[in-house]
Amino acid sequence: QKEVEQNSGPLSVPEGAIASLNCTYSDRGSQSFFWYRQYSGKSPELIMFIYSNGDKEDGRFTAQLNKASQYVSLLIRDSQPSDSATYLCAVNNSSGAGSYQLTFGKGTKLSVIP
Amino acid sequence: DGGITQSPKYLFRKEGQNVTLSCEQNLNHDAMYWYRQDPGQGLRLIYYSQIVNDFQKGDIAEGYSVSREKKESFPLTVTSAQKNPTAFYLCASSPGTGWVTGYTFGSGTRLTVV
Repeated sequence: QKEVEQNSGPLSVPEGAIASLNCTYSDRGSQSFFWYRQYSGKSPELIMFIYSNGDKEDGRFTAQLNKASQYVSLLIRDSQPSDSATYLCAVNNSSGAGSYQLTFGKGTKLSVIP
Repeated sequence: DGGITQSPKYLFRKEGQNVTLSCEQNLNHDAMYWYRQDPGQGLRLIYYSQIVNDFQKGDIAEGYSVSREKKESFPLTVTSAQKNPTAFYLCASSPGTGWVTGYTFGSGTRLTVV
């Protein structure tokens, strides 16, 4: 069973600070990694994806990938109260049943305090 | 605008009833998925379909059934055999390369047993 692990939180950060969200995965062959944001009562929306080791920046968001450590993270700079949500990490399965499907973590709840 | 439409937004089921959740997409995506989300839990895969007239069981298919007669539509029936159906149900779709592009989610259906 492929696993994607996230700290459930809640992670509380003050407004303007950097929020750091972490995710580890078990499938060493995984090639694509996604971060979804889910507001309470709403559906997930894709905010970032990364395929290569290193950093990928998009506005206030930076995704970081380290395949050797099987670790992916999301940094949110200048956090705003509107960033308060649950962040889901998703990783593709590289083999076996459901190959190429995405496996989702349970999510980390982020709370940005004004 | 292209997207995924789930209906109804809220659904109430009496004990012993079957209910059907609708999912329609106009994104021309090949693959479609049904997930269940319980409070504080991640997304659990119920069924998925990669092409018309073909679908596969996910991790928690018992008590559910689906059909894929058209590319655009992937309805989910929650049968009376599903003993604990109260949950938030999410439909998603992706192109055949969904493991690269990620999934697009509908707005969800909240099902409550009364």
